[in-house]
Amino acid sequence: GAVVSQHPSRVICKSGTSVKIECRSLDFQATTMFWYRQFPKQSLMLMATSNEGSKATYEQGVEKDKFLINHASLTLSTLTVTSAHPEDSSFYICSARDRLAGGLLYEQYFGPGTRLTVT
Amino acid sequence: KQEVTQIPAALSVPEGENLVLNCSFTDSAIYNLQWFRQDPGKGLTSLLLIQSSQREQTSGRLNASLDKSSGRSTLYIAASQPGDSATYLCAVRRGSGTYKYIFGTGTRLKVLA
Repeated sequence: GAVVSQHPSRVICKSGTSVKIECRSLDFQATTMFWYRQFPKQSLMLMATSNEGSKATYEQGVEKDKFLINHASLTLSTLTVTSAHPEDSSFYICSARDRLAGGLLYEQYFGPGTRLTVT
Repeated sequence: KQEVTQIPAALSVPEGENLVLNCSFTDSAIYNLQWFRQDPGKGLTSLLLIQSSQREQTSGRLNASLDKSSGRSTLYIAASQPGDSATYLCAVRRGSGTYKYIFGTGTRLKVLA
């Protein structure tokens, strides 16, 4: 089946630094990827929609200058948390939509997540 | 604004019991609804997807139903096993023109051996 990977799986960074998280579709092409964040014992909240070759679309309340998204190829999207603060500590999950998804049972495939801790 | 709620928030049952997880959504104009499983510290595994025109979907011991008009879906797990212990999330897709999902609050299930 379709696989989405994320790297790193865990990262600890100091306050004020930037950290990049990668999301890759391993065996399919994804024109659209989604980034979610999940606080402990809470549900997933959509942060932004990443479109290959164009600017990301951010959800209301999400700072686009803080959470930089780049979708440079059909298999890779990156989320960079700039000037990270402890309140950015969270679980970040990406999902990817198969470009040829029409008619398939599952529309999106989710990555395993990245645990970010800002000290 | 679409809101998705799941009840109960947590559930603990003995092994072998049949159980029902509930999901409700405020806007019935959905395109589809999907149930996911999330193990602690892990990503999501899709379990079942129900299109808005469907009433239910089945996969093994899992059965999901959808009543769009009342804004409800249920996930039925038959003969529960300790391996079923996880958080179960439902999510609704807003419409055919978008692939965004709104996630529910989740139900943390623990099946006791």
